[in-house]
Amino acid sequence: QSVLTQPPSVSAAPGQKVTISCSGSTSNIGNHYVFWYQQLPGSAPKLLIYENTNRPSGIPGRFSGSKSGTSVTLDITGLQTGDEADYYCGAWDSSLSAVVFGGGTKVTVL
Amino acid sequence: EVQLLESGGGLAQPGGSLRLSCAASGFSFSLYAMTWVRQAPGKGLEWVSSVSGGVINTYYADSVKGRFTISRDDFKNTMYLQMNSLRAEDTAIYYCAKDRSRAVGFYGMDVWGHGTTVAVYS
Repeated sequence: QSVLTQPPSVSAAPGQKVTISCSGSTSNIGNHYVFWYQQLPGSAPKLLIYENTNRPSGIPGRFSGSKSGTSVTLDITGLQTGDEADYYCGAWDSSLSAVVFGGGTKVTVL
Repeated sequence: EVQLLESGGGLAQPGGSLRLSCAASGFSFSLYAMTWVRQAPGKGLEWVSSVSGGVINTYYADSVKGRFTISRDDFKNTMYLQMNSLRAEDTAIYYCAKDRSRAVGFYGMDVWGHGTTVAVYS
């Protein structure tokens, strides 16, 4: 059971938009930055979003993050087949003194 | 180019030990916290342990506390994970990752290695 809660899967057609939710508590998302990782099949994770909303250089603007209270969302617009991957949210948890991850969400492009 | 290269994975029996290494290049290693994350077959990411940059503080997941020890050698630009009393549930790909600051966990990990595989079986 992951500390952060994500839906197991989401799907949409090419060009459409998907939204991945991630919910936590005041000990993690509510009071700390959230980051998102993309893991393509057979590859290591890659940082997609940091500090809730910021994209590292090289990450397209189609990926955007937002935060409200103890929940965050990752939006992927203009969905492409190359976006098929597992997506994980993560944050520091001050009660556990640990990094916590969501269980991951598999994005499927129909 | 910023790179992380893990090594030391392999097969071990329950109760055995392994020592993982993560060699870093392309950045000022001593200025950044470093982290180990693992992924069991078909499962999600699990944070294992982190060590801060500068003043050394270490952090462990409850699942490995007392069995694993994280350390770093800033002269060799290398991080280590000594794994003792291994269990079947430790079987996973182990990734090392560079934090975005010297503080552990607050800002995310921006560089990841390709991972090294640990398999614990009897």
